[in-house]
Amino acid sequence: KAGVTQTPRYLIKTRGQQVTLSCSPISGHRSVSWYQQTPGQGLQFLFEYFSETQRNKGNFPGRFSGRQFSNSRSEMNVSTLELGDSALYLCASSLAGQSGYTFGSGTRLTVV
Amino acid sequence: AQSVTQLDSQVPVFEEAPVELRCNYSSSVSVYLFWYVQYPNQGLQLLLKYLSGSTLVESINGFEAEFNKSQTSFHLRKPSVHISDTAEYFCAVSGGDDKIIFGKGTRLHILP
Repeated sequence: KAGVTQTPRYLIKTRGQQVTLSCSPISGHRSVSWYQQTPGQGLQFLFEYFSETQRNKGNFPGRFSGRQFSNSRSEMNVSTLELGDSALYLCASSLAGQSGYTFGSGTRLTVV
Repeated sequence: AQSVTQLDSQVPVFEEAPVELRCNYSSSVSVYLFWYVQYPNQGLQLLLKYLSGSTLVESINGFEAEFNKSQTSFHLRKPSVHISDTAEYFCAVSGGDDKIIFGKGTRLHILP
């Protein structure tokens, strides 16, 4: 079966712009989580959605937002981009917490 | 709240030698524990997980980890490493709420 698909793979944006990243989970997975990965901070939890509702949220500013659609696909939006937002953004889907996550390949965002 | 500490940011080891990657966690509730591996320019892949039962869990590629509740540890071991094991390894913990917290990762360098 198809894995977790993230689009686009690479993105270059200018400071102040906004960006939307997309994630299609494994079929049947209703939980989708987003992480930001940087060399300095490692993997940081952004938020988790389940059945179109945000269930968990990390410690990120309000510029970071997300949503989940009825087909479990999820989008993440970052507004007013800053240089420090440059990172690999990873999406993961899960059948249930104890089954672990399946990750996508990520979207590498570069802010210039 | 849960947290994870990976005690070594980098571990160099000679090919065919044994390796141990250390992980300690803290949690006020029963936990699920995971090890993930990330190869260059890829997302994370689940290596193995502890949910309950036997404290020793194994992966298909020769890695194993032992859950030690008294020491709150979940160290990853392999008796003989190969060059293909070069990657970054992440220990993670979940309290069952579908939110997984990751450690900062350990880079495994295999020396010829």
